[in-house]
Amino acid sequence: GDSVTQMEGPVTLSEEACLTINCTYTATGYPSLFWYVQYPGEGLQLLLKATKADDKGSNKGFEATYRKETTSFHLEKGSVQVSDSAVYFCALRGRSGSQGNLIFGKGTKLSVKP
Amino acid sequence: GVTQSPTHLIKTRGQQVTLRCSSQSGHNTVSWYQQALGQGPQFIFQYYREEENGRGNFPPRFSGLQFPNDSSELNVNALELDDSALYLCASSSPGQGRDGELFFGEGSRLTVL
Repeated sequence: GDSVTQMEGPVTLSEEACLTINCTYTATGYPSLFWYVQYPGEGLQLLLKATKADDKGSNKGFEATYRKETTSFHLEKGSVQVSDSAVYFCALRGRSGSQGNLIFGKGTKLSVKP
Repeated sequence: GVTQSPTHLIKTRGQQVTLRCSSQSGHNTVSWYQQALGQGPQFIFQYYREEENGRGNFPPRFSGLQFPNDSSELNVNALELDDSALYLCASSSPGQGRDGELFFGEGSRLTVL
């Protein structure tokens, strides 16, 4: 079945460091891909998305590119801030799934130190 | 936003539990997820206009209801120790859902002893 694998955490960075969180997926057809973020004390919220190959999703300085050839959707940011400290989840929705049916990775906790 | 209650509860094996969710106003689709410790959320089922229209790999003792007033329930019968988890409710409107944007509550943490 469809699945998502993302790098294990926790990840600890200093402010202004570069961030990459790896995410690869297994799915039939062409899934839609997402990054969700969970800030402390809040619910999960959509960070960015891409719905077809070579699409680049971006938001709040974060980017991820849908790479069909490597089945990847790595999350990147050039300069992280303390406020980026959160848990990041990579997710996909298969073409046959209902709109609320997302398949999530295990999550990667990011801590940014001043 | 999406609100869930209770935030924490403790039950014993074999008991039944009801978790509640109030969706964001205007959202007619609600999904429920189970998140075990250290794992990502797992899809339980989805309700649209008060009917279940999608289900993940969960047994029938997991059931739900959706009401016309944007509220919903998740019921779990015959609780097992492995049911201990954070239960998340997510709502969406048709357009937002098609784009993959779900709005999540903070969850109800269930502990089964």
